[in-house]
Amino acid sequence: QQKVQQSPESLSVPEGGMASFNCTSSDRNFQYFWWYRQHSGEGPKALMSIFSDGDKKEGRFTAHLNKASLHVSLHIRDSQPSDSALYFCAASEYTGANTGKLTFGHGTILRVHP
Amino acid sequence: DPKIIQKPKYLVAVTGSEKILICEQYLGHNAMYWYRQSAKKPLEFMFSYSYQKLMDNQTASSRFQPQSSKKNHLDLQITALKPDDSATYFCASSQTGGAYAEQFFGPGTRLTVL
Repeated sequence: QQKVQQSPESLSVPEGGMASFNCTSSDRNFQYFWWYRQHSGEGPKALMSIFSDGDKKEGRFTAHLNKASLHVSLHIRDSQPSDSALYFCAASEYTGANTGKLTFGHGTILRVHP
Repeated sequence: DPKIIQKPKYLVAVTGSEKILICEQYLGHNAMYWYRQSAKKPLEFMFSYSYQKLMDNQTASSRFQPQSSKKNHLDLQITALKPDDSATYFCASSQTGGAYAEQFFGPGTRLTVL
């Protein structure tokens, strides 16, 4: 079973609209979550991290984490065509070894249309 | 200027051959990683290194061998190549190892095994 599950698989929003992504983990060892974005032909780039329950806002991006349900979401307001990309949720667990391993979901394809 | 260099960008190999994927980072980071991305699976963690020491190995096969000749280098040697090895391989780095550190990804090497 995939340890990090994302939904939806794809999303289309109008320019200026709100894009919302969901992510759920099945592993309670995962305590730290990241959102990454990947444009076609490039490597993933971190958008933001969230480690505590509640909301975290950075510019047009807002992440929300509920540790009890292991659910994390990302919302992009005022979406722009340049936001069109593949969005990944990634989770890491704190262990004594502290290896930095990230476990990624399958991703959500976002298309922002004019 | 690119901060993480991966060479080559594209690589075509025949089944059974051996290839080395090059990664150099100029971010002054102490931890480096390899991930693999294929059409069938999400981004998969392969290895992590911290201060040139192997921290974690999640590959099931010894055909994949990381090589760290310098602090800012982490190459990936793949022997006895199989068609299933076809994927894009991403190198990443972070200031420190561990769950909190943002990982920066290179542009990837797309490997095709015929």
